[in-house]
Amino acid sequence: GAGVSQTPSNKVTEKGKYVELRCDPISGHTALYWYRQSLGQGPEFLIYFQGTGAADDSGLPNDRFFAVRPEGSVSTLKIQRTERGDSAVYLCASSLTVDHEAFFGQGTRLTVV
Amino acid sequence: AQTVTQSQPEMSVQEAETVTLSCTYDTSESNYYLFWYKQPPSRQMILVIRQEAYKQQNATENRFSVNFQKAAKSFSLKISDSQLGDTAMYFCAFMKPYSGYSTLTFGKGTMLLVSP
Repeated sequence: GAGVSQTPSNKVTEKGKYVELRCDPISGHTALYWYRQSLGQGPEFLIYFQGTGAADDSGLPNDRFFAVRPEGSVSTLKIQRTERGDSAVYLCASSLTVDHEAFFGQGTRLTVV
Repeated sequence: AQTVTQSQPEMSVQEAETVTLSCTYDTSESNYYLFWYKQPPSRQMILVIRQEAYKQQNATENRFSVNFQKAAKSFSLKISDSQLGDTAMYFCAFMKPYSGYSTLTFGKGTMLLVSP
């Protein structure tokens, strides 16, 4: 595709439910990043993939958060037992390699009620 | 750890005027990258301008320019001839070299409103 695509654009879920957020990077980009942007804050790093493997997951807040990228393209961020504090915009970005400019998607706004 | 501070939560400017957004940062690194990103209501982060710390010359991109003061750890963005389409959140960001965007650290942002 022309840019990074994230689906859904908006997601409302009940506390305690499981959610999956999807990111389609720019074709050919080997590096993929997830960020979380809480209200009134800048984005904060969650996890970085190089190819299929998670090269750095130091930003994941706890073990309820997990992400995969099984074929080195599409990535899914998974959140178990959602809490109201998980409400945020989740941004995905991709870059050709780790040394190239990253391009961002339009994010998924997650609301936990 | 790096920190990025944007002390102006909101700024207003009239169309065609010039506005400067402030950013300071703290790091022990000697080389790094600094960025200004724009986030319109669409939520997509768009790169406005980038500065490499080892370059003394201030970066310029059309109507956008920076004032990079390395000793003071200051990195302000000047927008000339402001346009209505410049209305957005602006984020200052820091990145370590050769470490990729996993080290990208953002400030809290400045909301810029351009009025007719």
